Amino acid sequence: GENVEQHPSTLSVQEGDSAVIKCTYSDSASNYFPWYKQELGKGPQLIIDIRSNVGEKKDQRIAVTLNKTAKHFSLHITETQPEDSAVYFCAASIVQGAQKLVFGQGTRLTINP
Amino acid sequence: NAGVMQNPRHLVRRRGQEARLRCSPMKGHSHVYWYRQLPEEGLKFMVYLQKENIIDESGMPKERFSAEFPKEGPSILRIQQVVRGDSAAYFCASSFGSGNTIYFGEGSWLTVV
Repeated sequence: GENVEQHPSTLSVQEGDSAVIKCTYSDSASNYFPWYKQELGKGPQLIIDIRSNVGEKKDQRIAVTLNKTAKHFSLHITETQPEDSAVYFCAASIVQGAQKLVFGQGTRLTINP
Repeated sequence: NAGVMQNPRHLVRRRGQEARLRCSPMKGHSHVYWYRQLPEEGLKFMVYLQKENIIDESGMPKERFSAEFPKEGPSILRIQQVVRGDSAAYFCASSFGSGNTIYFGEGSWLTVV
């Protein structure tokens, strides 16, 4: 089955700097890659997703890149702000059929003022 | 425009009791998923349901756990004879259909004492 590895497990950056979180997946059939942000005591909130027919997607300060050949995808947050502090999870799934998301282990991002 | 609604948000049960967690999907969504999150870990898929049908329960323990999504009313995740190891956050998610974006609820935190 699918396995998703996420790095780093913790990340601390200065406010205004960029943050990058990387994930690798094992199943070449996976074709959908969402990123979720989870704040303490709350549910995961979708922040951006990408499908395998594109290599990059951007939404304001957030971007995701996908390398299907290498089977890895990354989240980029620019101009970080204190409210970006949270745990971020990547996930992978096959869109058809039972769409089971396989999650990475999470990255705890801390933005230092 | 309510999102995925879960209740109760927090539940305490003694070992051997039953826990029932309820989930109402987003309006218009007919696909429901349950995930479990242990402390400091990522989310693990448990079960995927459509109205009156279990599509994939490959992530759910064979014993003590069951799920349903009746024609009317919320989806229910039922845990019988709870043990300390069942203590976790249980998240429900929903989507419009297979292949569509999956949205999560705020979770139900189960503590077994």
